[in-house]
Amino acid sequence: GAGVSQSPRYKVAKRGQDVALRCDPISGHVSLFWYQQALGQGPEFLTYFQNEAQLDKSGLPSDRFFAERPEGSVSTLKIQRTQQEDSAVYLCASSSYRVYEQYFGPGTRLTVT
Amino acid sequence: SQKIEQNSEALNIQEGKTATLTCNYTNYSPAYLQWYRQDPGRGPVFLLLIRENEKEKRKERLKVTFDTTLKQSLFHITASQPADSATYLCAPPSGNTGKLIFGQGTTLQVKP
Repeated sequence: GAGVSQSPRYKVAKRGQDVALRCDPISGHVSLFWYQQALGQGPEFLTYFQNEAQLDKSGLPSDRFFAERPEGSVSTLKIQRTQQEDSAVYLCASSSYRVYEQYFGPGTRLTVT
Repeated sequence: SQKIEQNSEALNIQEGKTATLTCNYTNYSPAYLQWYRQDPGRGPVFLLLIRENEKEKRKERLKVTFDTTLKQSLFHITASQPADSATYLCAPPSGNTGKLIFGQGTTLQVKP
């Protein structure tokens, strides 16, 4: 079956613009995670959804970052008023309930100029 | 705070040799630990999970150990091949949501 997909794959934004990054998880996966990966570093946790409920948003770096998953499937990560330090790869991962392994999408590379 | 450390320097080995990658963690005791592989431009791919009550786990040419006393996991690839060249990430969970805390990854280069 299809894996996790993300769009766009690449996004260039001018500083101050708003961006929206989309994640389509594997069908039926209850858990959805967003991670941010800086160049040469491991992914860092941003936020977690169980179905449509956002149960953990402790990793969101500022109130400019907002995520939603209104119907418990597709999720969107929105960044308002982008800054240069937001440049990174944003990874989405999904997993079945009570299954530990996570399936990652290819990521969206965001470059803020 | 919880901290995961992996060899930051790239590991270069000859084809056919065994690669050994190290993951050390501090300030907590995870119930399990996962290893992922990441190729350039792609998301991480799950390889193995080892639980705290398991000393060793094997899958084909891969072997993972978990020493809760040393707070260390070792990841071995035997009979390495150039296709094993990638970045390998150690990832124990944090809290009860399953979110992962990743190390910075170790890049392995296997030369023919």
